[in-house]
Amino acid sequence: GAVVSQHPSRVICKSGTSVKIECRSLDFQATTMFWYRQFPKKSLMLMATSNEGSKATYEQGVEKDKFLINHASLTLSTLTVTSAHPEDSSFYICSARTGGVYNSPLHFGNGTRLTVT
Amino acid sequence: GESVGLHLPTLSVQEGDNSIINCAYSNSASDYFIWYKQESGKGPQFIIDIRSNMDKRQGQRVTVLLNKTVKHLSLQIAATQPGDSAVYFCAENNAGGTSYGKLTFGQGTILTVHP
Repeated sequence: GAVVSQHPSRVICKSGTSVKIECRSLDFQATTMFWYRQFPKKSLMLMATSNEGSKATYEQGVEKDKFLINHASLTLSTLTVTSAHPEDSSFYICSARTGGVYNSPLHFGNGTRLTVT
Repeated sequence: GESVGLHLPTLSVQEGDNSIINCAYSNSASDYFIWYKQESGKGPQFIIDIRSNMDKRQGQRVTVLLNKTVKHLSLQIAATQPGDSAVYFCAENNAGGTSYGKLTFGQGTILTVHP
């Protein structure tokens, strides 16, 4: 069964508004979660590493003021796309490990399809 | 920068055949590799992993081979079924430094299984 739950699965918003995406670890605690972005027929690109109780670490080229990440508890990380624009339309996927780096792979949520009109 | 890439973007096979999906990686510091399957509209699903101290690992109908000499990874699927049709990604775990624990994904291969 799923170990990472993501909500919502789909969202349509108007340009200029903000959208929040939730990522929850089920039955395990995740001090670190990873947020990826995927365009159609493309690979997954890491956006940021979400750290419980501290600031997220963003990959080069990802605007931290645009993509706000909050990891307020050991089971929940949120990604907020602020002032969304059509070019932000994409598939956003979060992930977490159930164990340590070298004894468990990343498990992914089922993604959130964001469409900005 | 260093990246993981795939040789074949698409692969079509007949049901019952064996499939081989290849992946080249360039980061010699990577020490953990994972294959994922992604179906349309869903997140990647873990298939099998392998650490750099191994060269082969088998699962149910799947085998991963790692050749560190040429930095090559492959996924073999035995008796491929229509339900195996999906996009397959290899991913490498960056070892050490600020990249610790992060996964870098390859380009992806679309596998189509014809009945």
